[in-house]
Amino acid sequence: AQTVTQSQPEMSVQEAETVTLSCTYDTSESDYYLFWYKQPPSRQMILVIRQEAYKQQNATENRFSVNFQKAAKSFSLKISDSQLGDAAMYFCAYRSAYAGNNRKLIWGLGTSLAVNP
Amino acid sequence: NAGVTQTPKFQVLKTGQSMTLQCAQDMNHNSMYWYRQDPGMGLRLIYYSASEGTTDKGEVPNGYNVSRLNKREFSLRLESAAPSQTSVYFCASSDRGRTNQPQHFGDGTRLSIL
Repeated sequence: AQTVTQSQPEMSVQEAETVTLSCTYDTSESDYYLFWYKQPPSRQMILVIRQEAYKQQNATENRFSVNFQKAAKSFSLKISDSQLGDAAMYFCAYRSAYAGNNRKLIWGLGTSLAVNP
Repeated sequence: NAGVTQTPKFQVLKTGQSMTLQCAQDMNHNSMYWYRQDPGMGLRLIYYSASEGTTDKGEVPNGYNVSRLNKREFSLRLESAAPSQTSVYFCASSDRGRTNQPQHFGDGTRLSIL
């Protein structure tokens, strides 16, 4: 069975600085998708960025980018020019690309990010 | 732009009471999910419905039942609420046909069982 591990329960960053959140996963599959979700204090779950395993190029969405290392099964999230609004819980999630799993997501336990002014 | 709508947003129940959490999505998604979120436990899948007319158990189904009423609606029922079911409940949906599509979440229901 697949697992997702976020080894940093809490992180902090100074406003305007860069921070990297780590995520590792375990799978025997070769085709899958990875996601980072953000959950601010409002509790909404917001998609930040996604990565297809078959793509070598790292995904980027404005100030958010990932470092996807398929061989190492690592999927870290880099937030550049951190803003106060980035303060949230961040969850890493895995989804198999194979049809049998009904598109279920496997979730990490989250990293709480504080942004200091 | 309603997306996924959950009702109610907050609820307090007494032990043994029953209640149904409602979820509806307007994105024409095939798959829908119910999660619970507890401190330090992340999101745990309770039940999911891959398509209209089907439901399957997730990681923590005990004490819950679900109904996929139609393509839009997926309800979660607590038949006899227990304090261990105090949690924040999220409904989500996704497009089954495209595996790289994310799950879209409702705003959550905070449920307290006394």
